[in-house]
Formats: sequence, structure tokens, C-alpha cells
Amino acid sequence: GAVVSQHPSWVICKSGTSVKIECRSLDFQATTMFWYRQFPKQSLMLMATSNEGSKATYEQGVEKDKFLINHASLTLSTLTVTSAHPEDSSFYICSAGRQSTDTQYFGPGTRLTVL
Amino acid sequence: QQQVKQSPQSLIVQKGGISIINCAYENTAFDYFPWYQQFPGKGPALLIAIRPDVSEKKEGRFTISFNKSAKQFSLHIMDSQPGDSATYFCAARKGPGGGNKLTFGTGTQLKVEL
Repeated sequence: GAVVSQHPSWVICKSGTSVKIECRSLDFQATTMFWYRQFPKQSLMLMATSNEGSKATYEQGVEKDKFLINHASLTLSTLTVTSAHPEDSSFYICSAGRQSTDTQYFGPGTRLTVL
Repeated sequence: QQQVKQSPQSLIVQKGGISIINCAYENTAFDYFPWYQQFPGKGPALLIAIRPDVSEKKEGRFTISFNKSAKQFSLHIMDSQPGDSATYFCAARKGPGGGNKLTFGTGTQLKVEL
């Protein structure tokens, strides 16, 4: 099976600081990765699509200067939450798609708490 | 605009019973319909998926029924077990022309009681 990892699994930070979350496809190359945010007892909301070697595409209403996405290689995408505030506290989940397949494989998620 | 509607919001089923979750979509550009299972504090895991040219797909205890004309699809969990207690999400994907993006339903919290 295809495995996607995320690091860290949880992070607590102070308001105003920046936090970086890594998403890795461990056993396959992912030309496209997706970043989602999930609030408690709610569904997954797509934040952005990350394509290797190009700029990320952000969904409407998502601040691209606040949520910086970098997809530097076929196995790694990073999401940096800049100047985090308590309202950014959420569960952030990435997914990766294998080329020529339908399936998106999800990472285990990162719980961000901003104090 | 909610493109994928899911019901019920919560469901309680007795052990051994059948759990049924329904979804409806509006956009005919969707070309792939997966179901995900999510446990608290974990990422979603793919359960089963279907393409619109197939009316039914079965994998073990899980079956998807798909009605293209009605733009509806459902998940049936046969012989439901306490370990199936989780949140289930249906999703729909726009193909390459739509960036392969998934749109999720609102989720169904399933509890299987002994």
C-alpha cells in the first residue's frame, strides 16, 4: 500500500509564531499533494493543491501568504502556518496521489494548537 | 455551496446489523466517488471507491451502490461490528480537468452497539 506520513503529529505554539508541517510520501512519488484543514466534528476542507516544482493553488478564502506551501520534491510537501493565531488551531491533513491512479492517500494528520 | 450532501449525520446500529449511509451530488463533472473511514485523531483511510460507469461495487462487508441518473450513491456496511464505529465520509472527485480535487460530504458518525 501507499504510505503518507506527517510530521509533527501534534504541535503547540505561541500566538504570532510560525509552524512548519511536513508531508511525505514514503513509498511512491507524488506529483500532487493536497492540504486539508478539519475542525472538530466537521468535514475536511481543501486548502490548497501542491504540485511539485510549481506554485501551489489555493482554494477560495485561503490566505496564501498565511499558509505557505512548498513542494520541493516528489516525496515532500510542507505547509507553514505563518504568524499563527488561536483561530488557526485545527487538524491539518495532507494527501498524496499516485500518478495514473484515482486514489488519494491521506497522512495521519497534525494537530496544531495555538495559545 | 455544498456539492456533496451526506446523511444521516449520526447512526446507531446493533452489532450484526446493516449500516447505510447516503450521499448525493450535483456536479456531473465528478468522475470518482470514494468512501473514507476516520477514527478520532487519525487521518481518513480509503474504504472503497467507485466510478460512475458501475452501479455496484462490493469489497468484503462494504458495498457501494451508485445511481448515476439520480446522482446518488450509498455505502452499505454488512454485519456491522463495534470496530466499525467511526466517522464515514463520502467524497467526489473532479477528474484531471478539475485538478483531481476531492469534495467531501459532511460525515456520518457511526456507532455500532453490542
